[in-house]
Amino acid sequence: DGGITQSPKYLFRKEGQNVTLSCEQNLNHDAMYWYRQDPGQGLRLIYYSQIVNDFQKGDIAEGYSVSREKKESFPLTVTSAQKNPTAFYLCASSSSGTAYGYTFGSGTRLTVV
Amino acid sequence: GIQVEQSPPDLILQEGANSTLRCNFSDSVNNLQWFHQNPWGQLINLFYIPSGTKQNGRLSATTVATERYSLLYISSSQTTDSGVYFCAVAAFSGGYNKLIFGAGTRLAVHP
Repeated sequence: DGGITQSPKYLFRKEGQNVTLSCEQNLNHDAMYWYRQDPGQGLRLIYYSQIVNDFQKGDIAEGYSVSREKKESFPLTVTSAQKNPTAFYLCASSSSGTAYGYTFGSGTRLTVV
Repeated sequence: GIQVEQSPPDLILQEGANSTLRCNFSDSVNNLQWFHQNPWGQLINLFYIPSGTKQNGRLSATTVATERYSLLYISSSQTTDSGVYFCAVAAFSGGYNKLIFGAGTRLAVHP
């Protein structure tokens, strides 16, 4: 079945460490997105990519980095510059960057210890 | 930018009850979608509804774009309806359609 796979489901990070969250899709979607969800809040856009080797900053990109070397993969690195990284991270994809037909992964819960 | 407000923020129901969730948005939008996030975090699209009314089983949604609001109706609620319901609107910005989410309505259905 087509879908989006995020890994790991739970991740613990020590202060000062960089960590990378994986997002893989087999839907043949062109566009991929990373969102951050904090308790009691909606989803906020971190980065998005409409095609391979191209990506753009979203609303809260500071302290994060991404790459898009393959159509299927859009990993997110949470760097040590992100001062408050504890959150739930969701990856999504859509066809041709439209706002219709978003498919979401099951998320990664990152905790700083 | 566009603001999306959802109400109520929290809702507790007995199984079998009906409910209405509301989404107000501050400007004209390309489309509007309703999502359900289950207790494990998975988000599922319920409706793509830029205007008009749609129904899917016990759920239905109505969007009145000219008055900038949308309603999600849940009838005969079940415990599996629990979770967070998000409204998201699309706005064209920076060359692509960006989804802007409201803060959500947290629904708990008790048996």
